[in-house]
Amino acid sequence: NAGVMQNPRHLVRRRGQEARLRCSPMKGHSHVYWYRQLPEEGLKFMVYLQKENIIDESGMPKERFSAEFPKEGPSILRIQQVVRGDSAAYFCASSPGDATQETQYFGPGTRLLVL
Amino acid sequence: AQSVTQLDSHVSVSEGTPVLLRCNYSSSYSPSLFWYVQHPNKGLQLLLKYTSAATLVKGINGFEAEFKKSETSFHLTKPSAHMSDAAEYFCVVTYTGRRALTFGSGTRLQVQP
Repeated sequence: NAGVMQNPRHLVRRRGQEARLRCSPMKGHSHVYWYRQLPEEGLKFMVYLQKENIIDESGMPKERFSAEFPKEGPSILRIQQVVRGDSAAYFCASSPGDATQETQYFGPGTRLLVL
Repeated sequence: AQSVTQLDSHVSVSEGTPVLLRCNYSSSYSPSLFWYVQHPNKGLQLLLKYTSAATLVKGINGFEAEFKKSETSFHLTKPSAHMSDAAEYFCVVTYTGRRALTFGSGTRLQVQP
């Protein structure tokens, strides 16, 4: 059973460009979470999605950031007009079902560098 | 609001000696508590999880943690450190009704030969 897949693993963008980060959950998992890790810090929750629905986006910046989890295909975290402060590691996690305290399984992360 | 405090940002031990990584939580509700490990430039791996069952939780690679409600603590221990244990360790809390995990700031474990 393949784990959570994220691509690209590394992404370099210039200020003002767009960044698209993709996450494929573990097989059988329908819940996806995005977290951001700034240098020397712990992970911070951004958004929680189920298929075609955003359930909790309380950690998402109000501007430039969006997330989706379509019926088919991976979840996408999109950052428009990137700035240097967006440089971070972005982790996706997935979980299988409806238990709120179930384990979340993490992907290897995408490391975004904004020049 | 839920929060978790990792009391040490760095811990250094010698190989073969015990490991203690400290974590305190605050929560208005019964928490679920986790320890995750992150090796350099890798993703996070779950070490162990507490969800109101037995207070002493055994995890992978010889790690265990004890939930102490009176002290609001969930310290991670291992009897004998191995070189491969060198990594960043995160204490994590969530509570009933919410899925977002709240991470501590991490403890970097160094293991000296």
